[in-house]
Amino acid sequence: DAGITQSPRYKITETGRQVTLMCHQTWSHSYMFWYRQDLGHGLRLIYYSAAADITDKGEVPDGYVVSRSKTENFPLTLESATRSQTSVYFCASSPAPSGGLYEQYFGPGTRLTVT
Amino acid sequence: QKEVEQDPGPLSVPEGAIVSLNCTYSNSAFQYFMWYRQYSRKGPELLMYTYSSGNKEDGRFTAQVDKSSKYISLFIRDSQPSDSATYLCAANNAGNMLTFGGGTRLMVKP
Repeated sequence: DAGITQSPRYKITETGRQVTLMCHQTWSHSYMFWYRQDLGHGLRLIYYSAAADITDKGEVPDGYVVSRSKTENFPLTLESATRSQTSVYFCASSPAPSGGLYEQYFGPGTRLTVT
Repeated sequence: QKEVEQDPGPLSVPEGAIVSLNCTYSNSAFQYFMWYRQYSRKGPELLMYTYSSGNKEDGRFTAQVDKSSKYISLFIRDSQPSDSATYLCAANNAGNMLTFGGGTRLMVKP
């Protein structure tokens, strides 16, 4: 089915472990984004990508790594998970901005708990 | 201070009421203003967007931007229980990423 998918939907991991969250979109959108959503903070941008092999930091990039070797995939890796990274993670994609407008379409989210 | 602020609610209204959801922002360079709806345990979905000041209507929903007072509003007419969700406002200026408000939780009671 067309759209944007995330996996896993739920993940529990231990402090210090490496975790990779996957994001896949079928629209061939050039832009992809990773956000985290926490109570009291709303959605905060972690990293984004304008195209394959082009990534840039967002508001809260520390502790996260991204890559984008293919247009449709944008994995997010927590190199050494910490409890403060317990959150709901959303991936989004957008066509190239039209006059500055990013029409972002979000995936269903991954609920990550770090114990 | 966050660039985009929203009252977290919850806002509880009876079915059929007119709902007013509001945001304030501080960055005068913002040009695009968006409203997203997020159901519980789902991703946000884009409802509508406006460019600069003015109104935009889509069915029961009207988005309004007043750049002079840096105020963004979403009005929902004839509210339904299915409108119960968290509503996120967002804004950006050309070349920059979206900045989201914290969201307002709306409950429409039958």
